[in-house]
Amino acid sequence: DSGVTQTPKHLITATGQRVTLRCSPRSGDLSVYWYQQSLDQGLQFLIQYYNGEERAKGNILERFSAQQFPDLHSELNLSSLELGDSALYFCASSVVGGPQETQYFGPGTRLLVL
Amino acid sequence: AQTVTQSQPEMSVQEAETVTLSCTYDTSENNYYLFWYKQPPSRQMILVIRQEAYKQQNATENRFSVNFQKAAKSFSLKISDSQLGDTAMYFCAFMNPSYSGAGSYQLTFGKGTKLSVIP
Repeated sequence: DSGVTQTPKHLITATGQRVTLRCSPRSGDLSVYWYQQSLDQGLQFLIQYYNGEERAKGNILERFSAQQFPDLHSELNLSSLELGDSALYFCASSVVGGPQETQYFGPGTRLLVL
Repeated sequence: AQTVTQSQPEMSVQEAETVTLSCTYDTSENNYYLFWYKQPPSRQMILVIRQEAYKQQNATENRFSVNFQKAAKSFSLKISDSQLGDTAMYFCAFMNPSYSGAGSYQLTFGKGTKLSVIP
């Protein structure tokens, strides 16, 4: 158990809908990363937050957004869902987001868009 | 852009034997970090080992060791005394501290190698 929690574990929804994925980092970690794992694209970095502020953006679609709250949990919002958004979404956390730190991954949220 | 290539989509090894997974990467940077992550059927991503590019000594963690060849941009993972619990997808990952600006250190992953340990 990495100490990173993600809810829900599974999510099934329809095209055009909007969903919210939640992540709670390890106790004491200030930085949160979101990654998407799909069959087509593999594992891709989406976005990083540090202590409530956005730090970096990767291959995140405009239909997707995220935020990190004062209690340091983070939410990834996916809207106008398409079939191709079906994937495993991981959250990872580290203390301050430095390169010397290990990123600890949560168990992921499996999203299926029908 | 940084790229990570794992040329072996699938591999198998007999229990108790040794196996080596290959990884190459492309970068013009001198300072970076390399990782191997394991993803068992449970889908959890677990860090296996990490290597700092400025360190010449190869990293080791129990039965896991790496062969880091900086000039060749190669970073292979050796698993000794393979166990059934080693069956998993293995991902090589690269982190360039300067790629996305100060304070941002995301991982760039390869496509993965599916390792099966045969009893």
